[in-house]
Amino acid sequence: DQQVKQNSPSLSVQEGRISILNCDYTNSMFDYFLWYKKYPAEGPTFLISISSIKDKNEDGRFTVFLNKSAKHLSLHIVPSQPGDSAVYFCAATLGSNFGNEKLTFGTGTRLTIIP
Amino acid sequence: KAGVTQTPRYLIKTRGQQVTLSCSPISGHRSVSWYQQTPGQGLQFLFEYFSETQRNKGNFPGRFSGRQFSNSRSEMNVSTLELGDSALYLCASSLSRGGQDTQYFGPGTRLTVL
Repeated sequence: DQQVKQNSPSLSVQEGRISILNCDYTNSMFDYFLWYKKYPAEGPTFLISISSIKDKNEDGRFTVFLNKSAKHLSLHIVPSQPGDSAVYFCAATLGSNFGNEKLTFGTGTRLTIIP
Repeated sequence: KAGVTQTPRYLIKTRGQQVTLSCSPISGHRSVSWYQQTPGQGLQFLFEYFSETQRNKGNFPGRFSGRQFSNSRSEMNVSTLELGDSALYLCASSLSRGGQDTQYFGPGTRLTVL
């Protein structure tokens, strides 16, 4: 039972344009969401997070949008740069409950930025 | 501040053997979680330790176990290795003050079972 889904295994975007990565979840109890970026043979690197009490969080070129009614979140990268080429994972957790450190991950989207 | 460190980075074992992986969290972080990454299953949660106690557990067989020491360092053990245990094993640490704490990952240990 995949509670967090990333339906696009890969995405190619021209350098300088916007990259939009999508993620859907089924567990309405999730209330904290994170995006991680991963290069081969390395651990995931935290990018940005959002609490369920917000619908948008921005950090530099990265913006995460959360639509709770649709159980959908997206990561926007503007402008896209070649160094953004990596696999992106979204993750969810019951963050507001102390002791719930378990992250449930999506299967990842491989983003390729075309120079 | 140093990040999460994992040793060894690479391991090759044969079926039936056992293996121990080590993780040192970011200084001050009290929670350590372990994940398994495989091409087919993605990142799967194994277990989480806080103050030397296992606090959360994923859906893995009892061959997978772990522990945490008083300095928050953690070890993960896999006994009677199977071919399907070949994976990248990642540990992550967080402050775990309560509420929404971000987990930070180490580089992982690549385990190959022959």
